[in-house]
Parts: sequence; C-alpha cells; structure tokens
Amino acid sequence: DGGITQSPKYLFRKEGQNVTLSCEQNLNHDAMYWYRQDPGQGLRLIYYSQIVNDFQKGDIAEGYSVSREKKESFPLTVTSAQKNPTAFYLCASSIGTSYQETQYFGPGTRLLVL
Amino acid sequence: AQTVTQSQPEMSVQEAETVTLSCTYDTSESDYYLFWYKQPPSRQMILVIRQEAYKQQNATENRFSVNFQKAAKSFSLKISDSQLGDAAMYFCAYRSADQDSGYALNFGKGTSLLVTP
Repeated sequence: DGGITQSPKYLFRKEGQNVTLSCEQNLNHDAMYWYRQDPGQGLRLIYYSQIVNDFQKGDIAEGYSVSREKKESFPLTVTSAQKNPTAFYLCASSIGTSYQETQYFGPGTRLLVL
Repeated sequence: AQTVTQSQPEMSVQEAETVTLSCTYDTSESDYYLFWYKQPPSRQMILVIRQEAYKQQNATENRFSVNFQKAAKSFSLKISDSQLGDAAMYFCAYRSADQDSGYALNFGKGTSLLVTP
C-alpha cells in the first residue's frame, strides 16, 4: 500500500541523548516536512525538504537536524540541544513543490523524555 | 508568517445536526490555499477539504462544505448530518503561494468537536 510510515510510534529519550525519528514514504513525493504538535497548539514546522540533498529550516528548527539522502526518506534527529522535546511529531509529504499540492501526513511519533 | 485563528476551542453538536467551525487568517497575499484537517483520537491528520483562494465557489466534499469569504479572511467549515465518527480535533491551515515559504502549512490551534447521540 502507498503511504507514509513513521517509526517508532513511541520513543523515550534520556537527558543528553540524541534520538532519531524515521519517516518513509513510497508515494514518490518530492517534498517532505516535519511538524511538532504540543497540547493546545496547532502544528509547527521544524524542517522541510523540497528535493533530495536539500532542506530548509522551519519556524522551530533549533535543537533539531535532518537529512535527505534519498527521496523516500526524511529522518529527524532530536539533539540534546532541544531542551523541551516532549511532543508529538508528524511527518508529511506532497507530490510536488507547488503550493497547490496537498500534504499527506504519517501516523506520528510520540517522544517522551525520561 | 501568516496567522491562523480558530476562536472556538471546543464545540458540541448532536448527531444528525449541523455545526459550523470558524477560522480566520491574516495575510497580505492574494493567492494561497486553505485547508481543513481532521485529527481523530488516533492522531492521524486527515484532509477534509481544501479551497483555492482565487476560486469564488465554495468547496464541498459530501457532508463537508466551506464558507470562504476572501475579503473578510474567513474560512469556516460546515458539517451537515453530523455523525459520531466526526468527533475529532479540526485544524484550519493556510498555505502560501510564496516559494520562499517552502509551501509549508500554517495551522490554527484547533477546535475540538464533540458529537453527542
């Protein structure tokens, strides 16, 4: 089936530890996005990538890093510099880079700090 | 960045009735897209409906329709014949036509919809 997968569903991070969230899509989409969702807030953009080997910072990129080595994969690393990482993380993709394209979302990863 | 405001944190509707969720946005652009997404308890974001700013006709998708007032910068969602499965968080989102924005979505804070039998 075509879609976006995120793993793991739940992730626990210890203080000072880097963790990586996986996002994979088999939709042949060019653009991919990472959003963070906190309780009582809408989604906020962390990073986005419009093409392989290129990505741009979003509104809240501090403490996060990404890579886009393959079209279908856009992993997000939450570094120890992110002081408040507990949140729900959503990955999205769209077929092209036109503003007319709809973004489709994965099921999300819940990150908790121990 | 454009601001999206959903002024109703919670709404309630009886099964089979109609409910309208409000959304306003702030922009100086003339070309953009607006979206309504649904987030059920599973937390999967599901596209409900979308509207192109340059189209005057309001979008409809089965029981879901929008009232798009471009001059007023208003984009409300109407759900007709509400069903128990409609219970969810509903997010309004704006997408700029400006390439420098990366075409990312700007979201409101959401409206929690409760559907009662």
